[in-house]
Amino acid sequence: EAGVTQFPSHSVIEKGQTVTLRCDPISGHDNLYWYRRVMGKEIKFLLHFVKESKQDESGMPNNRFLAERTGGTYSTLKVQPAELEDSGVYFCASSLQGPTDTQYFGPGTRLTVL
Amino acid sequence: AQSVSQHNHHVILSEAASLELGCNYSYGGTVNLFWYVQYPGQHLQLLLKYFSGDPLVKGIKGFEAEFIKSKFSFNLRKPSVQWSDTAEYFCAVNLYSSASKIIFGSGTRLSIRP
Repeated sequence: EAGVTQFPSHSVIEKGQTVTLRCDPISGHDNLYWYRRVMGKEIKFLLHFVKESKQDESGMPNNRFLAERTGGTYSTLKVQPAELEDSGVYFCASSLQGPTDTQYFGPGTRLTVL
Repeated sequence: AQSVSQHNHHVILSEAASLELGCNYSYGGTVNLFWYVQYPGQHLQLLLKYFSGDPLVKGIKGFEAEFIKSKFSFNLRKPSVQWSDTAEYFCAVNLYSSASKIIFGSGTRLSIRP
């Protein structure tokens, strides 16, 4: 069974540009989460989808970030326009049940904004 | 604001030494507690979790953690570490009041000398 996959693994962009990160959860997992880790600090929750609906987006830093999950399968996280402080590793996770169920993490996308 | 504190950023041990990684959280309500681990080059994965019942929880690879409610702590232990335990360890808390959000600590990097 394939695990959670993320694309790209690494993205380097300039300030002001747009970047779209993609996450493919484990097949059949209705719950999908995005997290971010900035420079060795804590991993911070961004948002939680249940199928295509946003269950909780309280962790989204600002309106430059837009997450979608059309059709309840893969999800995208768009940053537009990117700022220097957006650099970090963006993790995606999925679970069969809700957040207290075991979450399976992807390898992360390392975003560098220059 | 709720937070999770991991006291040690980097721990260096020799093989066969005993391990205890500290974790404290700041939240007075009901919580679910987790330890996640990220081995070099691998995805973040669940080590163990506590929801209720016996406060001593056993996880994979010989790890265990003890929930002490009065101390708001959930320390991770292993009686005898191996070189393969070299990894970064994250304590995490899920608050019943905001079910989607998992709050992570900043991580503890464990290096085992062979």
